[in-house]
Amino acid sequence: GQSLEQPSEVTAVEGAIVQINCTYQTSGFYGLSWYQQHDGGAPTFLSYNGLDGLEETGRFSSFLSRSDSYGYLLLQELQMKDSASYFCAVVNYGGSQGNLIFGKGTKLSVKP
Amino acid sequence: NAGVTQTPKFQVLKTGQSMTLQCAQDMNHNSMYWYRQDPGMGLRLIYYSASEGTTDKGEVPNGYNVSRLNKREFSLRLESAAPSQTSVYFCASSFSGRKNEQYFGPGTRLTVT
Repeated sequence: GQSLEQPSEVTAVEGAIVQINCTYQTSGFYGLSWYQQHDGGAPTFLSYNGLDGLEETGRFSSFLSRSDSYGYLLLQELQMKDSASYFCAVVNYGGSQGNLIFGKGTKLSVKP
Repeated sequence: NAGVTQTPKFQVLKTGQSMTLQCAQDMNHNSMYWYRQDPGMGLRLIYYSASEGTTDKGEVPNGYNVSRLNKREFSLRLESAAPSQTSVYFCASSFSGRKNEQYFGPGTRLTVT
């Protein structure tokens, strides 16, 4: 089967650094993506790792290790507006189309 | 550019009623998707369309049908709504490719009583 595991909740303070881990088990793996979703809103794309290593986009970085079936999202200099749910998603190819398989999400609460 | 639009935003149905959720994108994307999101369950793929004229089942297709009307529009139909279909429904679109960066609509909040 296919599965993704990530913590259900994380709490951190403003200005801190937080890491959200994601482990996956899937066939046809192409890469790992991260999406952010604020309460009541739609998911929005944050980052994608197709190769092992670190990808940096401003305050956010994402890491992938294919050999460990593991990735993480690193958020630095946390701000109150970063309070949201974060989903890892495997880009999975079955047949002719690549689809996303989402984890259940990690709810990040940033405290002052 | 409106991105991905969905109608309606909210809907209440009685068990057994039917309805169609509409989705349109103006980004010239090839692929379109329908997801449902339930509390604590993440997003689950219902159906997708890799290109105009094709549709395929996702993880949870039972009780739903879809139509890719043209490149812009992808509709989701509930023929006989059930309380288990109470959920938030998101439409998304993307270019083809490995990254499959998806753009999501604002969602439709559906309650079936």
